Amino acid sequence: DSGVTQTPKHLITATGQRVTLRCSPRSGDLSVYWYQQSLDQGLQFLIHYYNGEERAKGNILERFSAQQFPDLHSELNLSSLELGDSALYFCASSVELGGPSTDTQYFGPGTRLTVL
Amino acid sequence: AQSVTQLGSHVSVSEGALVLLRCNYSSSVPPYLFWYVQYPNQGLQLLLKYTSAATLVKGINGFEAEFKKSETSFHLTKPSAHMSDAAEYFCAVSGTGGFKTIFGAGTRLFVKA
Repeated sequence: DSGVTQTPKHLITATGQRVTLRCSPRSGDLSVYWYQQSLDQGLQFLIHYYNGEERAKGNILERFSAQQFPDLHSELNLSSLELGDSALYFCASSVELGGPSTDTQYFGPGTRLTVL
Repeated sequence: AQSVTQLGSHVSVSEGALVLLRCNYSSSVPPYLFWYVQYPNQGLQLLLKYTSAATLVKGINGFEAEFKKSETSFHLTKPSAHMSDAAEYFCAVSGTGGFKTIFGAGTRLFVKA
């Protein structure tokens, strides 16, 4: 158990819909990362938040957005869903007190999104 | 810029044989290097991490990796494979100065009885 929690574990929805994925980082971790993992694209970095502020963006579509709240939990919002958005979405957290990306990332169990 | 290349998307070994998973990186700053393992239906878990201390890094479950600057490599090894090692392994690179962590494409390890 990494200490990172993600809800829901599974999500099935239809094209055109909007969903929200939730992540609670490990206690004390200030950074939250979101990743998408699919068979054809592999593990793709989406976005990084540090203490409530966006730090870096990766291959995140404009239909996707995220935020980190004052209690440090994070939500990833996916809208106008397409079949190709079906994937595993992982959240990871790290302490990252100073310089970014040198700390170990602790991954949650993921949310499996299926778009029908 | 940073990048990671994992050679071989699939590797198959017999139980008890040497495991060697290859990772080459490029980085414009001194790198931090990681190996993560992902078991089926689970998130990624850190195996080991190089942070410029010892070049030979020992991790969990008997794995180790050696940082070779001249070869820009960070290959993962285990002397004797076990069935429970079957999983997907990801190499990752990061660094100070604003670089985000870059993950390789992953190598799926199969262990034959």
